[in-house]
Amino acid sequence: GDSVTQTEGLVTLTEGLPVMLNCTYQTIYSNPFLFWYVQHLNESPRLLLKSFTDNKRTEHQGFHATLHKSSSSFHLQKSSAQLSDSALYYCALGAYKVIFGKGTHLHVLP
Amino acid sequence: DPKIIQKPKYLVAVTGSEKILICEQYLGHNAMYWYRQSAKKPLEFMFSYSYQKLMDNQTASSRFQPQSSKKNHLDLQITALKPDDSATYFCASSQLGENTLYFGAGTRLSVL
Repeated sequence: GDSVTQTEGLVTLTEGLPVMLNCTYQTIYSNPFLFWYVQHLNESPRLLLKSFTDNKRTEHQGFHATLHKSSSSFHLQKSSAQLSDSALYYCALGAYKVIFGKGTHLHVLP
Repeated sequence: DPKIIQKPKYLVAVTGSEKILICEQYLGHNAMYWYRQSAKKPLEFMFSYSYQKLMDNQTASSRFQPQSSKKNHLDLQITALKPDDSATYFCASSQLGENTLYFGAGTRLSVL
């Protein structure tokens, strides 16, 4: 069945350093949507960015990701982390339904 | 104003009891969902509904029953509650085919 893998459970880094959160997926569906959702403490998940197009960079709020169907990847990146980026980040796959990876906690230190 | 309303925000129940979690969406979406989030299984898909019909069910237990009285309502009835049911239950909605989920604020359920 469909699955999403986020290899890091926790990423801790210092403010100003680059962020990269990994996401790979498996699906038999040839045209899935891939999403990144962000969930701040005591809030609900909200969409950060999404993509449907192979090899096209998608950007929002300083974050970017590129869907690579050849490697089934959709890694999230940001050039410079901010304290306010500390949150739980979910990669999600939308084929017949939307399923989420286990999430990566990003902890940005001053 | 919140466009997806979940009630109550917090719920404490005793083992063996029954509770109903309420969800209404005012985004005009044609699909609604329930997800569960706990420390053991973050954001786990439970059910999806469209036009008051069940589309997908990934919940093994029949103790969880979705109920849709209107197309913008999707309540979740949970019977014979167990401590393991303690979690935050999120309602979400989307337009079919577009797949972008919008979440409510969640109901945090604690079963004692």
